[in-house]
Amino acid sequence: GQQVMQIPQYQHVQEGEDFTTYCNSSTTLSNIQWYKQRPGGHPVFLIQLVKSGEVKKQKRLTFQFGEAKKNSSLHITATQTTDVGTYFCAGPEAGNMLTFGGGTRLMVKP
Amino acid sequence: SAVISQKPSRDICQRGTSLTIQCQVDSQVTMMFWYRQQPGQSLTLIATANQGSEATYESGFVIDKFPISRPNLTFSTLTVSNMSPEDSSIYLCSVQSSPGGTKTQYFGPGTRLLVL
Repeated sequence: GQQVMQIPQYQHVQEGEDFTTYCNSSTTLSNIQWYKQRPGGHPVFLIQLVKSGEVKKQKRLTFQFGEAKKNSSLHITATQTTDVGTYFCAGPEAGNMLTFGGGTRLMVKP
Repeated sequence: SAVISQKPSRDICQRGTSLTIQCQVDSQVTMMFWYRQQPGQSLTLIATANQGSEATYESGFVIDKFPISRPNLTFSTLTVSNMSPEDSSIYLCSVQSSPGGTKTQYFGPGTRLLVL
């Protein structure tokens, strides 16, 4: 079946530093979605990318979908303590199911 | 967006007992999903709950261990049967919605289960 992998698994950054997490799929994806889970919370949808090479921005967050539609990245500029959490990418499998990556846990030191 | 509530929010249970988790959605949805998230891990789909038919289970999950009910389009239950400490996890109910054509997954707040 489809596998979605994320690196790194954990990342400690100093507040103000940048952060990037990478997502790779074993198969070509029709779209990729990103979710954020705050500590003690549940995953919350951030964005969906559909087109090859697509780049979308949400304030300090930049999301990119690879040309081959098998990889994606999330970059946060000048991290803040409010960015703390685990970031998951997810790609659709057959039907309506999503396969989630392992997640990248971001910790920000003030 | 869909608003999902789950009960209980957390529980501590004894080995060998069963717990039923309830999930309520504020709108009618065709499919509801049950996920498990073990401590520090990603989300694993347990099953898809369809109204009017049996749930569809993913590899590694069976109906005897995780019976699911789906009596109507806004409600579902997941039972964790004959629990062991390995069942300690967060159990999340989820639905899909398609605002503006984007198929988005919405999650309930989760049920945090600790089995002693």
